[in-house]
Amino acid sequence: KQEVTQIPAALSVPEGENLVLNCSFTDSAIYNLQWFRQDPGKGLTSLLLIQSSQREQTSGRLNASLDKSSGRSTLYIAASQPGDSATYLCAVMTPWEGGGADGLTFGKGTHLIIQP
Amino acid sequence: DTAVSQTPKYLVTQMGNDKSIKCEQNLGHDTMYWYKQDSKKFLKIMFSYNNKELIINETVPNRFSPKSPDKAHLNLHINSLELGDSAVYFCASSQPPYGETQYFGPGTRLLVL
Repeated sequence: KQEVTQIPAALSVPEGENLVLNCSFTDSAIYNLQWFRQDPGKGLTSLLLIQSSQREQTSGRLNASLDKSSGRSTLYIAASQPGDSATYLCAVMTPWEGGGADGLTFGKGTHLIIQP
Repeated sequence: DTAVSQTPKYLVTQMGNDKSIKCEQNLGHDTMYWYKQDSKKFLKIMFSYNNKELIINETVPNRFSPKSPDKAHLNLHINSLELGDSAVYFCASSQPPYGETQYFGPGTRLLVL
């Protein structure tokens, strides 16, 4: 059974710092890994998706890496801004034994606060 | 245009009632999902559904049932609501073959009194 762990659970840093959020998963047989952002009381916004055959993806100030063999991913945020404050969720899509996939398995998230 | 929409946004009801949450996606995706986010903000998959198969997470009580009138809709029916069903329910969709981005709806906040 796939399990996803995110470290740290919470992080508070001053504006302008570069930071790294960590994600690990127990079963390396994944289709993809996705990073989401969730603002309080809101839905999920997809930030980056890394296919199992890829090593990293970049979007603006965000860079996500994937090391499938070791079951790890990192989300790097450059030059953090107060608007980056949110909960960041890591999720993996794992094949289902019956074929196909049964949905994303999520970590519990990293609650990020960027201080102005 | 909203890609994945859910109604209602908020739902307050009494224990024992039966309720439904509607989900619609206009992305043309073949696969839709329901997730539950509990009071500790932990998201867990409940159902995965396309026109070929329904995959049910084994921890989901059979009081919960998805109904799909067509490819663009996956509604969630809940019978005999219990206090522990209070949570935020998210609908999502993606395009097979399971390697694509999932798009989430805004969530339905269910409170059972």
